[in-house]
Amino acid sequence: TQLLEQSPQFLSIQEGENLTVYCNSSSVFSSLQWYRQEPGEGPVLLVTVVTGGEVKKLKRLTFQFGDARKDSSLHITAAQPGDTGLYLCAGVVVDGNNRLAFGKGNQVVVIP
Amino acid sequence: KAGVTQTPRYLIKTRGQQVTLSCSPISGHRSVSWYQQTPGQGLQFLFEYFSETQRNKGNFPGRFSGRQFSNSRSEMNVSTLELGDSALYLCASSLTSGSLYEQFFGPGTRLTVL
Repeated sequence: TQLLEQSPQFLSIQEGENLTVYCNSSSVFSSLQWYRQEPGEGPVLLVTVVTGGEVKKLKRLTFQFGDARKDSSLHITAAQPGDTGLYLCAGVVVDGNNRLAFGKGNQVVVIP
Repeated sequence: KAGVTQTPRYLIKTRGQQVTLSCSPISGHRSVSWYQQTPGQGLQFLFEYFSETQRNKGNFPGRFSGRQFSNSRSEMNVSTLELGDSALYLCASSLTSGSLYEQFFGPGTRLTVL
């Protein structure tokens, strides 16, 4: 069973459109991170959210952490081809030893 | 600062062989974690090393092992390779494994088992 469920698994949109992807869990996390991974590369950290209800903006990307710290969303405004990639959310599981649990990712393709 | 480096980038092995992958973390980072990434399972945590000690371990068989050296460089070894071990193996380093646990990934080693 995946600790973090990401939806949709795959999303294809036209350049200039907006999109939102989701990361959900039944577990509470002390913090949650979003990474973007491009083909042939490792994931690159985009943002860390810590406080329930927190909203962080990174240029055209808006990240929100749910009030209960169980879920998160990523909204991209006016998507560009450079936004294409696999978006991974990861939650810090506090179970005696801190460790990261990853979702399977949201594959986003932005068509020029 | 140089990023996380992994060698080799690509590897082809046959069933039953063993393999050793190497990871050099960002200078000053003492925590190194290893992950296996496959299309079906996504990123699965293998283990974490901090100051040469294994601190966390995921749910992988004993064929998967690792170690960390005094300079924080890490290696992982997979013995008696199986077809299902074909995957992208990612190494990530972080300053510490505190609650923020922000990790910096290397480009990965693509292992193909024939």
